[in-house]
Amino acid sequence: GAVVSQHPSRVICKSGTSVKIECRSLDFQATTMFWYRQFPKQSLMLMATSNEGSKATYEQGVEKDKFLINHASLTLSTLTVTSAHPEDSSFYICSARGTSDYNEQFFGPGTRLTVL
Amino acid sequence: GQNIDQPTEMTATEGAIVQINCTYQTSGFNGLFWYQQHAGEAPTFLSYNVLDGLEEKGRFSSFLSRSKGYSYLLLKELQMKDSASYLCAGLDSNYQLIWGAGTKLIIKP
Repeated sequence: GAVVSQHPSRVICKSGTSVKIECRSLDFQATTMFWYRQFPKQSLMLMATSNEGSKATYEQGVEKDKFLINHASLTLSTLTVTSAHPEDSSFYICSARGTSDYNEQFFGPGTRLTVL
Repeated sequence: GQNIDQPTEMTATEGAIVQINCTYQTSGFNGLFWYQQHAGEAPTFLSYNVLDGLEEKGRFSSFLSRSKGYSYLLLKELQMKDSASYLCAGLDSNYQLIWGAGTKLIIKP
């Protein structure tokens, strides 16, 4: 099946620093990738949708200057959390949509971000 | 607006059967997904329904009624490892997933 990797799996950083999270589709080309955030005991919250070669589409309330998304190739998208603060601590999950008949999203394993 | 409703938590006994219900309202409809998510992990795909009826896959089955905006996930022969959150998600006309808050399933011996 389709595999999506995410790196790093865990990151702890100081307040004010920037953190980059990578999402890769390993065995398929993903024209569309999604970035989600999930706080404890809550559902997935879509942050943005990125299409290869174009600017990401951000959901309402998500600051595009704070959460920089780059989808430079069909297999790689990155999310950079700039000037991270403790309230940005969360579980960040990417997913990639392949070309199956039913538009299934394949999820990466997630990145646990802790901002001190 | 778009909305997915499912129970917050359910408890069942090992070896038994449990049905998790989901009602949805989406702008357009391109199918309904069920995902399983263990604590601290990303969701994993369980099922997809776009036509009315029951889809069976091993111990798990998923049902859809488009006229009622209703789906359920049926888990049979429950095992302790089935303790997880089960997320219902509808695919809208823009092919965006609209997520429910998830149902935490607790399995007791």
